[in-house]
Amino acid sequence: DTGVSQDPRHKITKRGQNVTFRCDPISEHNRLYWYRQTLGQGPEFLTYFQNEAQLEKSRLLSDRFSAERPKGSFSTLEIQRTEQGDSAMYLCASSFPGQYTEAFFGQGTRLTVV
Amino acid sequence: AQSVAQPEDQVNVAEGNPLTVKCTYSVSGNPYLFWYVQYPNRGLQFLLKYITGDNLVKGSYGFEAEFNKSQTSFHLKKPSALVSDSALYFCAVRAALNSNYQLIWGAGTKLIIKP
Repeated sequence: DTGVSQDPRHKITKRGQNVTFRCDPISEHNRLYWYRQTLGQGPEFLTYFQNEAQLEKSRLLSDRFSAERPKGSFSTLEIQRTEQGDSAMYLCASSFPGQYTEAFFGQGTRLTVV
Repeated sequence: AQSVAQPEDQVNVAEGNPLTVKCTYSVSGNPYLFWYVQYPNRGLQFLLKYITGDNLVKGSYGFEAEFNKSQTSFHLKKPSALVSDSALYFCAVRAALNSNYQLIWGAGTKLIIKP
């Protein structure tokens, strides 16, 4: 499968624990995006990489959130000291560069904080 | 403010009938418009996009969308609906925010096709 891959698909964690999600983009894509989606809403932009450089972070991304893409390939999104409000679907997408290009999404990681 | 609106939370259509899912937008400069579909427990799948040129764009699974600059709309259409088209549909627009052209998303429209 050459699509965007996310791991794990589901994560249940206790409040206060740290979690880390992984995204493997389509190999030819140098742009990688993280979004958060809650029920009944469209995706909300979190952050964006071009190769290994993190070019933009949303105000939604508090200091408990950190994302990396160390070698310009896969990316990780870490949430520290999780809160119940962090429960959501976390989506990763990748694309070629350019403002006209469409993004390809992974199936997402559903996080439940109990 | 730059935004996307999908005015209908849900659209119900009988199988075989034409369907329309509405989208309007507000951006500065030229809009680049996208439609995505999301099936249950699946990621978002790209359907089609408008960049420039012909106002009617054709996409995957028999869907098409019409760009109307004067009405700032980009409605998704299909001539004959299938039950398998039932899903959540999202409209998105790319705008120059912070010079990185983020996608701005609508809240989604649930499409239900009844046999």
